[in-house]
Amino acid sequence: DARVTQTPRHKVTEMGQEVTMRCQPILGHNTVFWYRQTMMQGLELLAYFRNRAPLDDSGMPKDRFSAEMPDATLATLKIQPSEPRDSAVYFCASGLVRQGSTEAFFGQGTRLTVV
Amino acid sequence: GDSVTQMEGPVTLSEEAFLTINCTYTATGYPSLFWYVQYPGEGLQLLLKATKADDKGSNKGFEATYRKETTSFHLEKGSVQVSDSAVYFCALIRDNYGQNFVFGPGTRLSVLP
Repeated sequence: DARVTQTPRHKVTEMGQEVTMRCQPILGHNTVFWYRQTMMQGLELLAYFRNRAPLDDSGMPKDRFSAEMPDATLATLKIQPSEPRDSAVYFCASGLVRQGSTEAFFGQGTRLTVV
Repeated sequence: GDSVTQMEGPVTLSEEAFLTINCTYTATGYPSLFWYVQYPGEGLQLLLKATKADDKGSNKGFEATYRKETTSFHLEKGSVQVSDSAVYFCALIRDNYGQNFVFGPGTRLSVLP
């Protein structure tokens, strides 16, 4: 049963520390999304990749966030330095975006708490 | 830009009641439309989708019809169960290369026994 895998599921860190979240997309999918979910803002798109190339990262604070896809089986989202306002659930999703048939499959998320 | 609007929640219903969650969208061209569901502590799961006008998506007793004339994709279920309690997100994607999913704010549904 193919699924998107995110690690870690939970992360508690101190303000100023670096945080790296990882995502293994479903094999064969050409698009990877990173979303952040908070009670106040709902689901916010941070960045997405198509065929490993970054297409849009306008939702990310550039000074502290970075997203990469070093290979087709791994996407990373890094925060350095982390701040308490970064506390949220971060979701990775992958999909096969093509004409006439598109879906996105979500991982279970990484719950980040910055204290 | 593209956008999705959903009815404000939370929605509280008794078991076996009829459910409607309204969703309207703004997009150029011909987007595909989706309903996702998020159970507590979980990621979003695709509930149903429709890729062209007048298509009806259905799954687990839920239905939604793609209405281009009213730019709507309302979610309905004839008889809700306690296990349907979750947050429901309406979403769209334009079927063009380079587009991403646009989600509505979500509607929390609570079903009481």
